[in-house]
Amino acid sequence: GQNIDQPTEMTATEGAIVQINCTYQTSGFNGLFWYQQHAGEAPTFLSYNVLDGLEEKGRFSSFLSRSKGYSYLLLKELQMKDSASYLCAVRVTDSWGKLQFGAGTQVVVTP
Amino acid sequence: GAVVSQHPSWVICKSGTSVKIECRSLDFQATTMFWYRQFPKQSLMLMATSNEGSKATYEQGVEKDKFLINHASLTLSTLTVTSAHPEDSSFYICSARASTGGLYNEQFFGPGTRLTVL
Repeated sequence: GQNIDQPTEMTATEGAIVQINCTYQTSGFNGLFWYQQHAGEAPTFLSYNVLDGLEEKGRFSSFLSRSKGYSYLLLKELQMKDSASYLCAVRVTDSWGKLQFGAGTQVVVTP
Repeated sequence: GAVVSQHPSWVICKSGTSVKIECRSLDFQATTMFWYRQFPKQSLMLMATSNEGSKATYEQGVEKDKFLINHASLTLSTLTVTSAHPEDSSFYICSARASTGGLYNEQFFGPGTRLTVL
């Protein structure tokens, strides 16, 4: 079956760094996505990893280890607007590019 | 680029009525669109995959006769919730995958439709 696990909630202070871990066991793997979702809004794309290693994009970085079924999203220099849910999603190997989503990690940034 | 719209953004209806939600890709063609449902504080659950010109593929446990999907063109897919009941109240989100790739062949999400059934 499909299993994508990430912590439910994390709290951090403005300016700090937070790392959100995601482990997955899926039927096939064709890339891992991280999305940000504010309450009542659609998810917005943050990052994509398909090969092992670190991808850096400004304040956000994402890491992937396919052999370990593990990824993390690193948020640096946290800002209040970063308070949101962060979704880990694995693209399975089907002809349509379906995504399997984790339950999301609610990040709360405090002053 | 890569904008997906949904209409309506919210809808309130009486139990037993049907509601149609539209999903449009505004500046690209999408052979494949996906419909998700999200309950409060939960993740996105894929309901069905919609391919232009063919029947939708539904995920296990999703009733195809209750959630009618039509992908009539490369820029429009519709989801009709038939005979809606209060338990169908949810946030419905569509996404679209561009026919010609996209940087990561990623899905672009619409802003969602909040359905409340009284």
